[in-house]
Amino acid sequence: DGGITQSPKYLFRKEGQNVTLSCEQNLNHDAMYWYRQDPGQGLRLIYYSQIVNDFQKGDIAEGYSVSREKKESFPLTVTSAQKNPTAFYLCASTGSSTDTQYFGPGTRLTVL
Amino acid sequence: GQQLNQSPQSMFIQEGEDVSMNCTSSSIFNTWLWYKQEPGEGPVLLIALYKAGELTSNGRLTAQFGITRKDSFLNISASIPSDVGIYFCARGGSNYKLTFGKGTLLTVNP
Repeated sequence: DGGITQSPKYLFRKEGQNVTLSCEQNLNHDAMYWYRQDPGQGLRLIYYSQIVNDFQKGDIAEGYSVSREKKESFPLTVTSAQKNPTAFYLCASTGSSTDTQYFGPGTRLTVL
Repeated sequence: GQQLNQSPQSMFIQEGEDVSMNCTSSSIFNTWLWYKQEPGEGPVLLIALYKAGELTSNGRLTAQFGITRKDSFLNISASIPSDVGIYFCARGGSNYKLTFGKGTLLTVNP
């Protein structure tokens, strides 16, 4: 089945450690996105990538990094510089010439 | 960035009732999307609207793209318990980025 996968579903890390969240899609979509969601809040854009080897900062990129070496994959690293990393992280993708984004199941990161 | 005003923030209704929620923007856009998110899951696309005045249905859900292109409405008819969740509107922008409303939390009492 085509879709977007995120792993793991739940992730626990100690404060000060970097952690990488996985996002893979087999929809042949060009663009991929990372969002952060906090309780009672909408989705806030962290980074996005419209093509391989290119990515742009979103509204809250500080403390995060990404790479886009393959069309199918867009991993997000939450660095120790992110002051409040505990949140629900969502990955999305979209095909060319469309705004319609499709989401993965999310990863809940808890920093202890 | 551009803001979306989504209302109401939350709704508590009885099973069988109809529901209406809306989003407004200060700017004109070409795409309105409605998503539903269940606890601990990613948002699922319900309806996509691409033209001013467009009215689209998906089962008991109906959404409309406002004539002014600054607003959109989502209606749910004859609500059932599984309609519970958070409903988000989103509007398209430059570089295929979306801006999301803060969501409407729907609770349906059986």
